[in-house]
Amino acid sequence: VQLVESGGGVVQPGRSVRLSCAASGFMFSSYAMHWVRQAPGKGPQWMGIISYDGTTKNYPDSVKGRVTISRDNSKNRLYLQINSLGSEDTGLYFCARDSGVAAARYYFDSWGHGTLVTVSS
Amino acid sequence: DIQMTQSPSALSASVGDRVTISCRASQSISVWLAWYQQKPGTAPKLLIYEASNLESGVPSRFSGSGSGTEFTLTISSLQPDDFGTYYCQQYNSYAAFGQGTRLDIK
Repeated sequence: VQLVESGGGVVQPGRSVRLSCAASGFMFSSYAMHWVRQAPGKGPQWMGIISYDGTTKNYPDSVKGRVTISRDNSKNRLYLQINSLGSEDTGLYFCARDSGVAAARYYFDSWGHGTLVTVSS
Repeated sequence: DIQMTQSPSALSASVGDRVTISCRASQSISVWLAWYQQKPGTAPKLLIYEASNLESGVPSRFSGSGSGTEFTLTISSLQPDDFGTYYCQQYNSYAAFGQGTRLDIK
């Protein structure tokens, strides 16, 4: 299993960012996928889930309305878009595979290395 | 939202010691709890799921117990490679992590 995130960098407050995660080594289209954020020196924060077929998405209240997760199973790619960025969005963003096949279990058995987003003017 | 609280926030122990880390949920989560180990600059690694089930490939010195609101991660005989930060995560209602316990080797 390999998950490789990209798209991070320095972004101005109020702007948007779109992160990508390239998956390989497993049947991507069979697994729900998650994004997890980790601010510097803090514990991980779950950002949301997308079902294996992309039809169901769930987000925590803390980011609902500002965050969109999508996927392209034909390209084995997962995406995260965050709008109206603020300083609280600075952190390392991981994509993570759900441990369940088809049915999501909401814990994570494989993680990428992360991509860093820094919100700064 | 379910809040997860870990204790202690940090500890230092010697090789061979038995180490225990606690995690408390703000409401009952049955056995829907996972434990992860994270080393600096790397992603978290799954150790335990469903409160007490050892993930494949994880050394048997790691064990988990508990149900409801109180959970424990135990390392039976601490090894040098066990340094890092440990997180609990509930998955009874979406997902939420504890704030972490940093483990240093004396």
